[in-house]
Amino acid sequence: DIVMTQSPDSLAVSLGERATINCKSSQSILYSSNSQNYLAWFQQKLGQPPKLLLYWASTRESGVPDRFSGSGSGTDFTLTISSLQAEDVAIYYCQQYYRTPYTFGQGTNLEIK
Amino acid sequence: QVQLVQSGGEVKRPGASVKVSCKASGYTFTTYGITWVRQAPGQGLEWMGWISPYNGDTKYAQNLQGRVTLTTDTSTSTAYAELRGLTSDDTAVYFCARERPCGGDECLLPLYWYYYGFDVWGQGTTVTVSS
Repeated sequence: DIVMTQSPDSLAVSLGERATINCKSSQSILYSSNSQNYLAWFQQKLGQPPKLLLYWASTRESGVPDRFSGSGSGTDFTLTISSLQAEDVAIYYCQQYYRTPYTFGQGTNLEIK
Repeated sequence: QVQLVQSGGEVKRPGASVKVSCKASGYTFTTYGITWVRQAPGQGLEWMGWISPYNGDTKYAQNLQGRVTLTTDTSTSTAYAELRGLTSDDTAVYFCARERPCGGDECLLPLYWYYYGFDVWGQGTTVTVSS
C-alpha cells in the first residue's frame, strides 16, 4: 500500500497569513504516461463530509477559492492557503488515487492563532 | 443538483451485519463509480472499496475483503455497502462518494486520464457497534 504522511499534524496560523501543509507519499504517484500526479486534497469541517479542494495535485475544484493552491510532484506535495480566512479552520487530508487502496494522509488540523 | 443521500444511523450488536444505502440524483448513475470511505471517531479517512454501477465491477480494501459487499440498484440509482461480522472497530461514520467510472489500474488507461473523483459526497451514516 502507498503510505501518505502529512506534516505537521496541527498548525496554528494568524488570519491573513499563509498556511502550508506538506504531504509525502511512500512511492511516486506520478504516472509517466500522462505526467499527472494522482493526488487530491480535501477539507473536512467538524461534522461534515470531506470536500474536494484540489485534484491532479494542483487543479482547483470548481468553486474553490483561489487562495487554495497545490504544488509538488512525484512523492512530495504541498497545499498552500495564501491568506487564511476564519472559514478555513478544518482538518485537511491529502489522498493518492494512483493505486488501490486509495490511501489518505493522517490529516492536518488547521486552527487560527 | 448532484447529490448523494445516505440512509440513517444504525446501532448494531457485535457479530451482526449492517447495510448502508446511498441514493444518487442529478447525474446519470451508471456513468460514474461509487466509492465508500469510513471514519472512526476522532480518526482519519479509510477507503473501503469501489463499485461500477455500469457493470458491477468492484474493488475492495484488503483488510475488509470477505466482510464487505458493495452493490448497486440502477433502477433506483442507489448504492449499498454491507458489512458483516461487526466488531467495535467498525464503529464509524460511513461515507459514499462519486468516483471515476474505473477501478484500480484500469484508471491508468488513456480513456480515463481526464476523470477525477471524490467530488460529491454523501452526508455520512453513523454506524455504532455496541453490546
